[in-house]
Amino acid sequence: TQLLEQSPQFLSIQEGENLTVYCNSSSVFSSLQWYRQEPGEGPVLLVTVVTGGEVKKLKRLTFQFGDARKDSSLHITAAQPGDTGLYLCAGVKGSTLTFGKGTMLLVSP
Amino acid sequence: GAVVSQHPSWVICKSGTSVKIECRSLDFQATTMFWYRQFPKQSLMLMATSNEGSKATYEQGVEKDKFLINHASLTLSTLTVTSAHPEDSSFYICSASYRADSPLHFGNGTRLTVT
Repeated sequence: TQLLEQSPQFLSIQEGENLTVYCNSSSVFSSLQWYRQEPGEGPVLLVTVVTGGEVKKLKRLTFQFGDARKDSSLHITAAQPGDTGLYLCAGVKGSTLTFGKGTMLLVSP
Repeated sequence: GAVVSQHPSWVICKSGTSVKIECRSLDFQATTMFWYRQFPKQSLMLMATSNEGSKATYEQGVEKDKFLINHASLTLSTLTVTSAHPEDSSFYICSASYRADSPLHFGNGTRLTVT
């Protein structure tokens, strides 16, 4: 079973703080995706990381893929209330997409 | 960009009735569509993989006779929750991809409430 462990499961912070969300697995994935989902909507793809050690930046969000392609992290700098949502990592192996349990982020003004 | 449309966005039904949820790929042909179930503040749980023109592949623990999936065309997959019960109340989401190595596009989900 390909399991993706995400931590923390829930995070409540103040506007302007930094945070990091982790996604770990014992399995190797061909790529790893990060999604953000707002209540009542479907997940929206933020980024796909493919190469071990790869770092991608999306404005205040920095995504990193582990060297062994088993883990990834999402770092948000100076969080804003608009960053509130459920962040999901998903590992890709062949045609299979395995989701982590998600991190619920709440950013208060 | 590619868009996946799900309908209805929410539905309330009585226990024992059946509900059909549609998932359409609007500007691409989707050979494969996926159906997920999501409980509040939890992640997406894959229910089944729907392949155009063939039977769906169900995940372990998902009742095939209860969650009927039909993928009759390259742009439409349907999920029918048969004889719905309150425990079937959940958020159901579909996703579709043009091909196995292309990005997944998600619908906006269907909130099902069974009374």
